[in-house]
Amino acid sequence: QQPVQSPQAVILREGEDAVINCSSSKALYSVHWYRQKHGEAPVFLMILLKGGEQKGHEKISASFNEKKQQSSLYLTASQLSYSGTYFCGTASHGQNFVFGPGTRLSVLP
Amino acid sequence: DAGVIQSPRHEVTEMGQEVTLRCKPISGHDYLFWYRQTMMRGLELLIYFNNNVPIDDSGMPEDRFSAKMPNASFSTLKIQPSEPRDSAVYFCASSPPGQTGGQPQHFGDGTRLSIL
Repeated sequence: QQPVQSPQAVILREGEDAVINCSSSKALYSVHWYRQKHGEAPVFLMILLKGGEQKGHEKISASFNEKKQQSSLYLTASQLSYSGTYFCGTASHGQNFVFGPGTRLSVLP
Repeated sequence: DAGVIQSPRHEVTEMGQEVTLRCKPISGHDYLFWYRQTMMRGLELLIYFNNNVPIDDSGMPEDRFSAKMPNASFSTLKIQPSEPRDSAVYFCASSPPGQTGGQPQHFGDGTRLSIL
């Protein structure tokens, strides 16, 4: 079952912050985040393996609430290069790895 | 280190023809995934292998699709006969050893397939 992502799309000005959410009806043991630019392949950002875990990658960080089966991706002081579609991917016991539908992020100057 | 290598990058062929997509995973990775991406259906997992063995092919749309991994450095996805609705971008990804879903996936550049 595919995870749900919200929002579907977001438009920011350079320097603004954004939060992208990912939720599942399944008990998860890992959440992945990827970014895909138009015409390119998805690129791995980070993976969260434990409940309550937070990870950071430059100005991009994420949290994983295992109990709520939710993860959030935080983009702070967004840059033009952050534009793209962000996908979460989830892994749970008894189900194959599955990507969410994506959140399209546009950062304007 | 070389990343995941896919070929061809683009393929245009007529309906009914056989199509073969190729993938070379990153050396040392023992998981290999085939995905299909379309606007309507997003990124769909078609099949994945672990140590050259197909683990789950439940995402393969129908019998026209088949995938093989004869050795650790090569995999193919074949469509025979091809149909216009198979038009999509097909990605191959690999990941290092570990629990399924517990390792990052590294994607190839994809094959953009157009069936006329």
